[in-house]
Amino acid sequence: QVQLLQSGAEVKRPGASVEVSCKVSGYNFKNYGITWVRQAPGQGLEWLGWISAYNGNTYYAPKVQGRLTMTTHTSASTAYMELTSLTFDDTAIYYCARDPPVVAAALRDHWGQGTLVTVSS
Amino acid sequence: DVVVTQSPLSLPVTLGQPASISCRSSQSLEFSDGNTYLSWFQQRPGQSPRRLIYKVSNRDSGVPDRFSGSGSGTDFTLKISRVEAEDIGVYYCMQATHWPGTFGQGTKVEIK
Repeated sequence: QVQLLQSGAEVKRPGASVEVSCKVSGYNFKNYGITWVRQAPGQGLEWLGWISAYNGNTYYAPKVQGRLTMTTHTSASTAYMELTSLTFDDTAIYYCARDPPVVAAALRDHWGQGTLVTVSS
Repeated sequence: DVVVTQSPLSLPVTLGQPASISCRSSQSLEFSDGNTYLSWFQQRPGQSPRRLIYKVSNRDSGVPDRFSGSGSGTDFTLKISRVEAEDIGVYYCMQATHWPGTFGQGTKVEIK
């Protein structure tokens, strides 16, 4: 069965960086992309960006452009997101979700369990 | 960007009774291939989102048939024929036609 397993919770200081990983199983990693979505406490879903595990192409939301970097390690079937220059507003649960390998209709048919990132002084 | 608007934002329900959520997009969601890519997600308290419905009316594997989706163009509806306790949570619609996809604000379904 398809599974996306994310790394554990993180607590960071303002100005620091955080990396979250998303290891997939149950499907061919290179045949899809990975989207990253976050959810601030009590809020809705905010799309952050997408990376193709097929060709490495990326798209970033304007709000995090310049601070967010997404990568993949195909031999490990793992996707990573790194968010730099953290502020209190970055406190959220970060989710990875499966998406198409090219720009096409979004899937988001399988999701990771979420990673809580807390920015605290 | 395509804006997706849900209503209501809060939906008190009685167990065993039907419930309905509306989703409207600022642009038509009919894609050039003839499909309409509108999905519905359920997020139970403390859990990740789970896709229930894709392409307007197709249920994902394991989704009970009390959930149904309908609509076309810019207007869509999720219906629960008889609400059960496990249906409590927040429901999001997402337009998947226009990259990168846009979520609605969410509708909180709670027991009346």
